[in-house]
Amino acid sequence: AQTVTQSQPEMSVQEAETVTLSCTYDTSENNYYLFWYKQPPSRQMILVIRQEAYKQQNATENRFSVNFQKAAKSFSLKISDSQLGDTAMYFCAFIPYNTDKLIFGTGTRLQVFP
Amino acid sequence: EADIYQTPRYLVIGTGKKITLECSQTMGHDKMYWYQQDPGMELHLIHYSYGVNSTEKGDLSSESTVSRIRTEHFPLTLESARPSHTSQYLCASSLVTGGYTFGSGTRLTVV
Repeated sequence: AQTVTQSQPEMSVQEAETVTLSCTYDTSENNYYLFWYKQPPSRQMILVIRQEAYKQQNATENRFSVNFQKAAKSFSLKISDSQLGDTAMYFCAFIPYNTDKLIFGTGTRLQVFP
Repeated sequence: EADIYQTPRYLVIGTGKKITLECSQTMGHDKMYWYQQDPGMELHLIHYSYGVNSTEKGDLSSESTVSRIRTEHFPLTLESARPSHTSQYLCASSLVTGGYTFGSGTRLTVV
């Protein structure tokens, strides 16, 4: 079975600090996409960052970056210079190349404090 | 602006009523999905469609049904709502593998 595990149900960070959210996954596929999605309270789920498994270089989007370790099946998200607007549920997810169905983790609730 | 729209945003309805949750997208995406999000925030795929007249059941069994008569429209129907159907329902669409766009969701409460 293909699964995504987020072992941190809740995390908190002070404004301007850096926080890392963990994600591991299990698949026998060699080619797939990995994602981090953000769901602010009562708002739309949006894509934060995307990584293709065949690319060794870690993806970066402004203050968001990932540490992709394919052999370890690990895909952590680092948020630098945290802002109050980063407060949200964060979901790790992946799609194998041969399917279009996103497989989600259980989410990490991040609270950014002033 | 291209986007995906869900209505209603909130719905409180009595047991036994028939309801339809609307989902429309203006991006021309072929693939559309319905997810059920429980109070613990976990997401479960309940239906998906790869194009007009194509619908499939997802990983979580659901008493709801869907239809896809037009590319842009993917409504979800519950023939007889029950309290166990209380949840948040998220609609999404994608053009190519890897890029899901989500609607704002419908929070359904059945009393």
